[in-house]
Amino acid sequence: DGGITQSPKYLFRKEGQNVTLSCEQNLNHDAMYWYRQDPGQGLRLIYYSQIVNDFQKGDIAEGYSVSREKKESFPLTVTSAQKNPTAFYLCASSIGFNQPQHFGDGTRLSIL
Amino acid sequence: AQRVTQPEKLLSVFKGAPVELKCNYSYSGSPELFWYVQYSRQRLQLLLRHISRESIKGFTADLNKGETSFHLKKPFAQEEDSAMYYCALKGGNFNKFYFGSGTKLNVKP
Repeated sequence: DGGITQSPKYLFRKEGQNVTLSCEQNLNHDAMYWYRQDPGQGLRLIYYSQIVNDFQKGDIAEGYSVSREKKESFPLTVTSAQKNPTAFYLCASSIGFNQPQHFGDGTRLSIL
Repeated sequence: AQRVTQPEKLLSVFKGAPVELKCNYSYSGSPELFWYVQYSRQRLQLLLRHISRESIKGFTADLNKGETSFHLKKPFAQEEDSAMYYCALKGGNFNKFYFGSGTKLNVKP
């Protein structure tokens, strides 16, 4: 089923490397979000974007960066400054900011 | 600060038994509460929201401002209800979403 596509499903990174996670949506949604999920914890907001060419830091933005050059795309870069990047990353979108969100399948990032 | 607490990591019930998944929140204003569900090998999806006052798949949830709770209930659990359930609150600065840590519901035959 379409909607939101996250790729890749699994990603491995060496220490000190930046890595970019892809998130694409064909729902014509204005808002997009990135969450991080760790075992035993809820989803924590990394970054969000209310409209194209705009984005804001969430609760745990340190060590991450994003861009929103196109409405349908909201890539997340995990930089070498992120001390504990191993996690499950979920992308979401909504028709308007903070309307109920539609989620992707997620990307699991592991450090080699 | 806004916070959502789901005290049970795992809840196991038998088919046909009532089920209640607990959710407590801390928020000083008037929150908007949601329940999201993730079935095995499927995406996280919205189950219901308190402002809709609806019953979805037999589940209901009532916002209790006095007890700051939004428990999810179903009178007769089915095996297909087995899933991970997340409670979420919308509020605070910029009206962001805050998610609980989730409860895994296992409905046994």
